[in-house]
Amino acid sequence: GQNIDQPTEMTATEGAIVQINCTYQTSGFNGLFWYQQHAGEAPTFLSYNVLDGLEEKGRFSSFLSRSKGYSYLLLKELQMKDSASYLCAVMDSNYQLIWGAGTKLIIKP
Amino acid sequence: GAVVSQHPSRVICKSGTSVKIECRSLDFQATTMFWYRQFPKKSLMLMATSNEGSKATYEQGVEKDKFLINHASLTLSTLTVTSAHPEDSSFYICSAKRLAGGELQETQYFGPGTRLLVL
Repeated sequence: GQNIDQPTEMTATEGAIVQINCTYQTSGFNGLFWYQQHAGEAPTFLSYNVLDGLEEKGRFSSFLSRSKGYSYLLLKELQMKDSASYLCAVMDSNYQLIWGAGTKLIIKP
Repeated sequence: GAVVSQHPSRVICKSGTSVKIECRSLDFQATTMFWYRQFPKKSLMLMATSNEGSKATYEQGVEKDKFLINHASLTLSTLTVTSAHPEDSSFYICSAKRLAGGELQETQYFGPGTRLLVL
């Protein structure tokens, strides 16, 4: 079957760094997405990885290893507004999105 | 788990025809279902929010007469793209919020998406 795993909840301190991991098993691979979703709002796109390696975009970076079926989202210099759910999704060989359940990130002062 | 399915997964249609997309929560009851459209830059645009048994709430700029939403039961919502045109070609994604107490009630579970191509 197809499966995306990510931690249910993580807690970090303002100003620190946090890494949210995502592992996947899918039938084929056409890219991996990370979305941020604040409570009651629509998800917003953070990153898209289709090749191995690290993609850096400001305070957020996303890493992909296709051979390991693994990705992580790295958030630096955490701010209180980063408290949100972070969703990992993989597009499979049929161009369907397989979604992780999301990781709720709690930032403490 | 909480599984959301969409049908069809992909559809190709001629300009001017109507297309219906179904969104089902398979193992839970959904108080609210959401319809999104994914744009080429990968962002998701919320189109509308539907609650079972009531009219959908559309986001600004989304034509309610063009994108008909019916949330007939706690496990099914449908999106009908009426008189589809090539510019309606996109990836449509639904999500569902489960009918449950506590924190789980605020969690959205996303469907796999439906790819629409209008020729």
